[in-house]
Amino acid sequence: DTAVSQTPKYLVTQMGNDKSIKCEQNLGHDTMYWYKQDSKKFLKIMFSYNNKELIINETVPNRFSPKSPDKAHLNLHINSLELGDSAVYFCASSQTSGSLGQFFGPGTRLTVL
Amino acid sequence: KNEVEQSPQNLTAQEGEFITINCSYSVGISALHWLQQHPGGGIVSLFMLSSGKKKHGRLIATINIQEKHSSLHITASHPRDSAVYICAVLYGGSQGNLIFGKGTKLSVKP
Repeated sequence: DTAVSQTPKYLVTQMGNDKSIKCEQNLGHDTMYWYKQDSKKFLKIMFSYNNKELIINETVPNRFSPKSPDKAHLNLHINSLELGDSAVYFCASSQTSGSLGQFFGPGTRLTVL
Repeated sequence: KNEVEQSPQNLTAQEGEFITINCSYSVGISALHWLQQHPGGGIVSLFMLSSGKKKHGRLIATINIQEKHSSLHITASHPRDSAVYICAVLYGGSQGNLIFGKGTKLSVKP
């Protein structure tokens, strides 16, 4: 069974559109994360979220917003997509906040045209 | 200056060689993580360690907290080990986040 899953795997869209990437974990973890990997393969944290607290990396534009319908899901909504948003986005989860035992999803490659 | 530095950035080796990838960090950390990213993009956790040494198959990870340094070793390297290896440190205590190095791209030739 897949531990952390993301959909879609690939997303191609036009500038200005609004899109969502879904993430689900079946590990019973308390904390979920979104990371952005840029063209140089550098990973950066965007958000971490548990049922108590959302921590936002201050460099993330407010066009990006995480939505968590329940503990097993953390979806990423992006409004008014820009060319610079093109990247691979990884979801991850861990048992507790700050834990290094993070399990990563397969990634979603977003291409903005 | 990056808080997590990896070296080398790129590494090409012949099958069977002993590989070492280094990670140095400038902040106080709780623990360190080694990740492997395959050419297809998926990220796999290899090790999580806060002291000493861990071994899994042909992979060995060591950390020296006082020197703020960790190494990942691969013995008897194989082409299937070709991947990007990423060091990440947990910074900011129990509520902290991972800070990633830029990765080391390893290519093992048959």
